[in-house]
Formats: sequence, C-alpha cells, structure tokens
Amino acid sequence: NAGVTQTPKFQVLKTGQSMTLQCAQDMNHNSMYWYRQDPGMGLRLIYYSASEGTTDKGEVPNGYNVSRLNKREFSLRLESAAPSQTSVYFCAGRQGGRELFFGEGSRLTVL
Amino acid sequence: QKEVEQNSGPLSVPEGAIASLNCTYSDRGSQSFFWYRQYSGKSPELIMFIYSNGDKEDGRFTAQLNKASQYVSLLIRDSQPSDSATYLCAVDSGNTPLVFGKGTRLSVIA
Repeated sequence: NAGVTQTPKFQVLKTGQSMTLQCAQDMNHNSMYWYRQDPGMGLRLIYYSASEGTTDKGEVPNGYNVSRLNKREFSLRLESAAPSQTSVYFCAGRQGGRELFFGEGSRLTVL
Repeated sequence: QKEVEQNSGPLSVPEGAIASLNCTYSDRGSQSFFWYRQYSGKSPELIMFIYSNGDKEDGRFTAQLNKASQYVSLLIRDSQPSDSATYLCAVDSGNTPLVFGKGTRLSVIA
C-alpha cells in the first residue's frame, strides 16, 4: 500500500503563479485534509473534506481552493501564489474516528 | 474556539531518563486523544491514542488521560537519542477535524 501520496514533493513558484498540489490515498479514507506547517505555528488546517462531494474551510483557507475529485483524491490549488504561502503542506486521510495518516509533505517556496 | 496547549520546549532529558510531555485541551466534550511524533523534515506519525481515563502503555510509551482535569500526557521511559523529535498532541471532539497543539520539541542528550 502506498498510503497517502502527495505530489510534487518540492516546488518553487514566482509570486502570482498558480499550481495544484495533488493528494491520493489508497486507505479507503472517507475524510481528507490539507494542512500547512510553518515554524512555531504548528499544523494549521486549510481545508478538509469530510466525505466525497463535500469540502469545508479550516483555519486558514484564504488564497486556496480544493477539489475532492473522488474518494481517493483531494487536490489543493493556489490560484495566485504569494510569499506568505511558502510553507510545508501535508495531506492527510482519516477513516471514522481513527487516527490521521499523513503524506510525506510538499515543500513550497514562493519567491 | 477549541484549543490544545503544549509547552513548546525544548525539553531536554538525559539518555535513559523519563521524558514527560503534557497537553491540555479546552473542549470538555473531547472524546479521543492522539500523540504524534515528527522528526525534522518528516511528516507526523502516530505513536499512541487513548480514549478512556487512566493509563495506556505501549512499549516504552505510556499515555495518561484525565478528562476531569482536561489533561493528557505522554511518558517516554528509557529515553533514547532517537526519541529526539517534536511531539504533537491532537484532540478529537467528534464530527470536527482533529485539533492539534503546536508541539513540544524533545531533545534526548547522550
């Protein structure tokens, strides 16, 4: 099993460029999540999808959009990247009330 | 707003000692509690979860939960340099995403 797979693992953008972070899971998770992690700030929830066909804002949704393409895939899009979006992004999945499983992370730098 | 508080550390302990990591939470209705370990540059990985008051042991790790005091802790016995990492506490209040603390950085000194 691959678990939770994120692509790309590293990306450098210029301010104003757009990009999509992809996430796919093969663990039959109903819920999927996108977090960002910055030094001293912990994990902050951007968006989540409690089930296929639904998405909800988390703590820091501004500047991001998401798509739950199907049960396996949950993508995060930056329409116009800003230096403040330089961060490490983690996708995670969860089944019911069980633990979160995280992907390996995507390190994004916006110049 | 539901909050989870952890001391950011760093918590330094000598090799072989017991490391005690603490977490408090604000939502009295919280139901389940998770401890994650995160090495530098890596993603968080689950160490333990606990649902009921009392202690839960798994190898060198013991999770302790006191719902009346809204307090959960993680004890690491016989600490090893390989335990040096950031430890994240996460709390589940049901029907909402897990709420994470900011983590405690543990340093085990050989």
